[in-house]
Amino acid sequence: QVQLRESGPGLVKPSETLSLTCAVSGVSMSRHYWSWIRQSPGKGLEWIGSLHYSGSTSYSPSLQSRVTISIDTSKSQFSLRLASVTAADTAVYFCAGDSRNTWSFYWGQGALVTVSS
Amino acid sequence: EIVLTQSPATLSLSPGERATLSCRASQSVSTSLAWYRQKPGQPPRLLIYGASNRAGGIPARISGSGSGTDFTLTITSLEPEDFAVYYCQQSSDWWTFGQGTRVDIK
Repeated sequence: QVQLRESGPGLVKPSETLSLTCAVSGVSMSRHYWSWIRQSPGKGLEWIGSLHYSGSTSYSPSLQSRVTISIDTSKSQFSLRLASVTAADTAVYFCAGDSRNTWSFYWGQGALVTVSS
Repeated sequence: EIVLTQSPATLSLSPGERATLSCRASQSVSTSLAWYRQKPGQPPRLLIYGASNRAGGIPARISGSGSGTDFTLTITSLEPEDFAVYYCQQSSDWWTFGQGTRVDIK
C-alpha cells in the first residue's frame, strides 16, 4: 500500500521559509515524479512544482523564484522549501506522485501551514 | 498560462441521477487532462487521466471525454460517494487546475 505523509511546522512567520517533507512508503521513488500542490482555505488547487527521482525539477512560473523541491532517495522522501512567505501562502500543502509527470495518482493527506506572526 | 473554466459551479442532483460536468481550456491541451474528486478533509482522488482513461479502482459509471479545449466528466448514476467537488487539471503547459464543480444532494 502506497503512503505519502507530509511533515513540518504548522506555523511560519512572514518573510521566513516554509519547509515540508513528504515521506514515501510502499513504492520505489525511482522512475516516479513527485509533486507539491497546495489549496488555500476554501479555495481550489494550485500546482507548486514537480521533480523526477533523477533530480530534474519543474516549478510553477508564479512561484519559481521562491521554490525549491529536492529529493533524498536514501530516505524515501522529498522536500519543499518556499522562501519569503506571506499570509497568501497559508494553505494545505499536499505531496503527490505518479509514474508520469502529467497527473498524480498518489496523494498525502495534506499539511496545513499557516503564515502568521 | 492555460486557464481551465469549469461549469456549472454547483450541480444539485439526487442519487441515481446523471451528472454532466464541463471543463473548457483557454487553448488546446490535446488530451493532457485529468479529473479529480475531492471530499471534505481529504486529498483529491484521480478519476480520469488522458481525458478518457479511468484510473485504478474507478467504477465504470464514471467516464471522461473530449479533446482540445472541451472536456466532459459524466457520472451515469450518482452514488452517495459521488457528492463532492470535482476538479479538472491540464498538463499540456505546466499544470493548472479548474476552479471546481460542487455536486451536492438535491
